[in-house]
Amino acid sequence: EVQLVESGGDLVQPGGSLRLSCAASGITISGYSMCWVRQAPGKGLEWVSYIYSSGSVIHYADSVKGRFTISRDNAKNALYLQMNSLRDEDTAVYYCAIYHGWFDPWGQGTLVTVSS
Amino acid sequence: EIVLTQSPGTLSLSPGERATLSCRASQTVRSNYLAWYQQKPGQAPRVLIYGASSRAAGIPDRFSGSGSGTDFTLTINRLEPEDFAVYYCQQYGSTPSWTFGQGTKVEIK
Repeated sequence: EVQLVESGGDLVQPGGSLRLSCAASGITISGYSMCWVRQAPGKGLEWVSYIYSSGSVIHYADSVKGRFTISRDNAKNALYLQMNSLRDEDTAVYYCAIYHGWFDPWGQGTLVTVSS
Repeated sequence: EIVLTQSPGTLSLSPGERATLSCRASQTVRSNYLAWYQQKPGQAPRVLIYGASSRAAGIPDRFSGSGSGTDFTLTINRLEPEDFAVYYCQQYGSTPSWTFGQGTKVEIK
């Protein structure tokens, strides 16, 4: 069974930093592009970032460009999201997902709360 | 960026009824690259439909997708109690800007 497990979510002050991780099991992620998608409390889904299987192509939503950095370690079967200069509006559950054009499967999510 | 508008915002139906959910794009979705997701409270979304009409693995055949261009529909025949949830559409024809609709909540009447 394919499983993605996110971790690293926490309460952080505005301007702070956080690093999210996504550990994969039941699948070798080196063959897949992957994404981060977030969901603010009570709101809809927002794509955040994309990384190609080799890491050679990366894209960001305008809302996080210049502040967030996606990376991956295929040897560890893991995906990461470094989030800097966090803002109140970054408060959300962050999901990692395997990319096929559509997203499938998704992890269970990790909550990031940005508040003073 | 393609904007997806879902309607209605909330659909109140009884088990056994048919649900028809709409997703309208602000411009043509290339190659009908549109997916539908179901999300239940406290859970991650799961894909139901991709390519506008292809059911994902393990999805019951009461779920069907249709449409092309800018207008897409998710139909749920004979609603089961576990189908009451929020549904999102997502386009992947215009990359690298993947966008979602705002969601339709299917609630028990």
